Amino acid sequence: GALVYQYPRRTICKSGTSMRMECQAVGFQATSVAWYRQSPQKTFELIALSTVNSAIKYEQNFTQEKFPISHPNLSFSSMTVLNAYLEDRGLYLCGARDLGSAETLYFGSGTRLTVL
Amino acid sequence: GDQVEQSPSALSLHEGTGSALRCNFTTTMRAVQWFRKNSRGSLINLFYLASGTKENGRLKSAFDSKERYSTLHIRDAQLEDSGTYFCAAEDGSSGNKLIFGIGTLLSVKP
Repeated sequence: GALVYQYPRRTICKSGTSMRMECQAVGFQATSVAWYRQSPQKTFELIALSTVNSAIKYEQNFTQEKFPISHPNLSFSSMTVLNAYLEDRGLYLCGARDLGSAETLYFGSGTRLTVL
Repeated sequence: GDQVEQSPSALSLHEGTGSALRCNFTTTMRAVQWFRKNSRGSLINLFYLASGTKENGRLKSAFDSKERYSTLHIRDAQLEDSGTYFCAAEDGSSGNKLIFGIGTLLSVKP
């Protein structure tokens, strides 16, 4: 079956430092990867949508300079939170799907970021 | 305003009973997905619908793009159904972007 592995599950970083999270798609080709954040007391917000061989599209309030994303092949994507501050804490999720053959978006288990 | 309005925000059910969650959309959506967030924080896929209804065990979902809503019905609720349920609608005009509802915290009690 289709699975998305996301790691780390939890991470703590000091204010002003950076952390990277990764997603691995298994059992399907991740032609499209979306990164979401759920801040405390909020629902999931789309950060950016990455499609292989296309430019990554960032949502309003999110920038490549702050959340650089790599999507080098059909099974892997990573996102870094640069210069993390308190407002960046929350649960980060990657969701992936094969645009060519399936509609369902499969999510990883999330990376919970705590900023001290 | 929010494009996806999910209700109720919290729901308490006794074992064996049922209820429905609903998401209303302010624009025409191409498709909807329903998820349950489990105790480990993972989002579990429940349904993907581009139209009509789907049923899986004690869960049934419907999506009406024209009327701009989707529902998730739970019958014969069990303790393990507890968790937070999310609908997420796909705005086809925005490149397959999923817009999430606020979530419904379901508590099933003995």
